[in-house]
Amino acid sequence: GAGVSQTPSNKVTEKGKYVELRCDPISGHTALYWYRQSLGQGPEFLIYFQGTGAADDSGLPNDRFFAVRPEGSVSTLKIQRTERGDSAVYLCASSLSPVSNTEAFFGQGTRLTVV
Amino acid sequence: AQSVTQLDSHVSVSEGTPVLLRCNYSSSYSPSLFWYVQHPNKGLQLLLKYTSAATLVKGINGFEAEFKKSETSFHLTKPSAHMSDAAEYFCVVSVAGGYNKLIFGAGTRLAVHP
Repeated sequence: GAGVSQTPSNKVTEKGKYVELRCDPISGHTALYWYRQSLGQGPEFLIYFQGTGAADDSGLPNDRFFAVRPEGSVSTLKIQRTERGDSAVYLCASSLSPVSNTEAFFGQGTRLTVV
Repeated sequence: AQSVTQLDSHVSVSEGTPVLLRCNYSSSYSPSLFWYVQHPNKGLQLLLKYTSAATLVKGINGFEAEFKKSETSFHLTKPSAHMSDAAEYFCVVSVAGGYNKLIFGAGTRLAVHP
């Protein structure tokens, strides 16, 4: 079927606003990950879901960032009171299993620009 | 803690010549290592992975990488570069602990000249 889908592909928002970024993983993939890629850098881990629960949110930079996956499929990353430093590409990935050598499939990302 | 270091931020080669992208890793455990490629405006794509089987790993598009424990290296090579290989390449280690949390290197931008 289709790969990992992320919407929107681009989002421009004003400083202080609230944004939601959506990730639709590959059907049947129980593990879902969010990463953030700043300009000129490699992606950095934000949060991992196994099913509906956030098993590891240690990469979320602060409490303005929150993510949910209520039905164990689609996930939404929510950013409150956005700051210019939040500008980055937000990547979502899913894998069939959370086992450490399983391939993670990445979406094309959402490019967030905070002005 | 696991980490990876990509030794070159930019590599430039001529079409038809060999490619070498260097990566060193740090891990307290036997690591799972990957190379991903990112073409402009496209998602990350897995090139190959090492998971403690054969130390020489073959991937897609003619790429391969060799796991060398004594040197803590996992360099990516290709015998003959093609124009379509121009992209950003990331060396990645999976964090030990039971799930697939990935630690990315800073990336190497490969340019291929005619």
